[in-house]
Amino acid sequence: DAEITQSPRHKITETGRQVTLACHQTWNHNNMFWYRQDLGHGLRLIHYSYGVQDTNKGEVSDGYSVSRSNTEDLPLTLESAASSQTSVYFCASSESAGTGTYEQYFGPGTRLTVT
Amino acid sequence: EDKVVQSPLSLVVHEGDTVTLNCSYEVTNFRSLLWYKQEKKAPTFLFMLTSSGIEKKSGRLSSILDKKEPFSILNITATQTGDSAVYLCAVRYNFNKFYFGSGTKLNVKP
Repeated sequence: DAEITQSPRHKITETGRQVTLACHQTWNHNNMFWYRQDLGHGLRLIHYSYGVQDTNKGEVSDGYSVSRSNTEDLPLTLESAASSQTSVYFCASSESAGTGTYEQYFGPGTRLTVT
Repeated sequence: EDKVVQSPLSLVVHEGDTVTLNCSYEVTNFRSLLWYKQEKKAPTFLFMLTSSGIEKKSGRLSSILDKKEPFSILNITATQTGDSAVYLCAVRYNFNKFYFGSGTKLNVKP
């Protein structure tokens, strides 16, 4: 069965360190997204990609970067982790235009703590 | 500024009750509105709404959209403890980007 996975599921890191969160999907979806979820804010879009070599900034992109070298993976990098980046991170993917509901399939999430 | 607002923020009911969750939005280039259920992990898709006045229904859950106001409601009848979750409303805008509300936390007591 197709799925979307994230690793690690839990991560504790120190302020200033570079951290990379992995996201891998086997849906063969062109569209992939990274969100963070904080109490009282719902899901906020960090970065997104509509295909290989395409990356775009979302509403809370400062301090984060992504790269898309293949269809399956969209790693999220925190260049220099800050305590404000302590959050739960969700990766999602969806089909492209003209097919279905545009519903996003979410990964299980990564809980990141920056100390 | 675009936004999606859900109400109430939290709700406690007893099994068998009917609940109505609200989602209002101010989003340019509106394309569709989606409802998700989140039970301690990844959100799972419930409904997508694009047209006003057309009810979507799945078992005890139903939803409708009013693009004029604009808002959407999610109804759950004969609630069960398994309905306890956070319900998220998301508005798709432009090509394929989403604004999410902060969610309504529903707690159904036996």
